[in-house]
Amino acid sequence: AQKITQTQPGMFVQEKEAVTLDCTYDTSDPSYGLFWYKQPSSGEMIFLIYQGSYDQQNATEGRYSLNFQKARKSANLVISASQLGDSAMYFCAMREGPGANSKLTFGKGITLSVRP
Amino acid sequence: DSGVTQTPKHLITATGQRVTLRCSPRSGDLSVYWYQQSLDQGLQFLIHYYNGEERAKGNILERFSAQQFPDLHSELNLSSLELGDSALYFCASSVGLAGGSDTQYFGPGTRLTVL
Repeated sequence: AQKITQTQPGMFVQEKEAVTLDCTYDTSDPSYGLFWYKQPSSGEMIFLIYQGSYDQQNATEGRYSLNFQKARKSANLVISASQLGDSAMYFCAMREGPGANSKLTFGKGITLSVRP
Repeated sequence: DSGVTQTPKHLITATGQRVTLRCSPRSGDLSVYWYQQSLDQGLQFLIHYYNGEERAKGNILERFSAQQFPDLHSELNLSSLELGDSALYFCASSVGLAGGSDTQYFGPGTRLTVL
């Protein structure tokens, strides 16, 4: 079974509107971390936001927030007030285990296009 | 700018050749990870080093090897290159200490084209 699932086809959003990018995960480890990265057309991978499995509150970083539903094993990224520069590929990733020094497992990514 | 540097940015070579990709982690980071991104396989973990020691291997071919040096920079060596090795190779670094997110920050990548 896939550990990280991102099934949405290419997503489109109007500038200044909010958009939700879906991510579901699968792990039996009680301790894990969930990450979102952005990959613009230039190719670099940019860290956006992190959610730990024991975190009580949903993570927020500026216009990015993570809708973490542990029982449903979902970690959806919400981008508020979309900007043209948000057009990119977005990857959800998971680190399994309690601490550091563990690889990331990535989903296949979602393409987001922001329309002016 | 993540603070992770990778050289070269682009590399074009022929089948059968050997190349070396270089990575310098963020200042203070002890962990270095290598990932391969291709259209068919997506982002795949290759290998992880922590403070000079190999910690974990992923889907890394036997033709590939890596090392982390005392100054913590890392090199990924790819030999007997095949067309299918064409991909974007990322290095990522993290502090490597438990108790936090241990976020991995990625370098800009090296785009390898094997002709």
